Amino acid sequence: SQKIEQNSEALNIQEGKTATLTCNYTNYSPAYLQWYRQDPGRGPVFLLLIRENEKEKRKERLKVTFDTTLKQSLFHITASQPADSATYLCALDNRDDKIIFGKGTRLHILP
Amino acid sequence: EAGVAQSPRYKIIEKRQSVAFWCNPISGHATLYWYQQILGQGPKLLIQFQNNGVVDDSQLPKDRFSAERLKGVDSTLKIQPAKLEDSAVYLCASSRTAYNEQFFGPGTRLTVL
Repeated sequence: SQKIEQNSEALNIQEGKTATLTCNYTNYSPAYLQWYRQDPGRGPVFLLLIRENEKEKRKERLKVTFDTTLKQSLFHITASQPADSATYLCALDNRDDKIIFGKGTRLHILP
Repeated sequence: EAGVAQSPRYKIIEKRQSVAFWCNPISGHATLYWYQQILGQGPKLLIQFQNNGVVDDSQLPKDRFSAERLKGVDSTLKIQPAKLEDSAVYLCASSRTAYNEQFFGPGTRLTVL
């Protein structure tokens, strides 16, 4: 069956360290993968998109990798800050214009 | 540019009642999405429009849910009759095309008693 799996438990990271979130998928062959941030009571906000032919994408303190062999994407936040605390969602396409979201990972940056 | 607008923000109804949600996407965005997000879960796509046409409604419970996109702009999502398990946040999103980043509205929190 098709699955998207993100870190099931909340992730606690000390301020200033790098936070790494994982998105694994099975039985999909996405052409691209997106990462979103969601704060309580708000809609998700787009962060980064990475295509299947790209290994890595960066935006300020954010970095995303995409390994189609491992069927995995890693999302890194360097020099993490308490303001980075939120739920992070990965989403992938199913090569038919449709987007499927994972359950998300709650990230807590501890001061 | 103005973001995606949704109303109402909150709605409480009794089971078997009807409810409607409204969404105004970002101007010029061809693709519009309705998602259902249950607490602790990721958004689940209910229906996707490309301009006026439906691209995907495979996860829309068509016996009780309906949606339309008026003139390729605004959209409404209706539930009739509501069940307890419909309690969730209903998110509307839009994008320039299906392959672009999505912009989400604030959502409507529905509670069915």
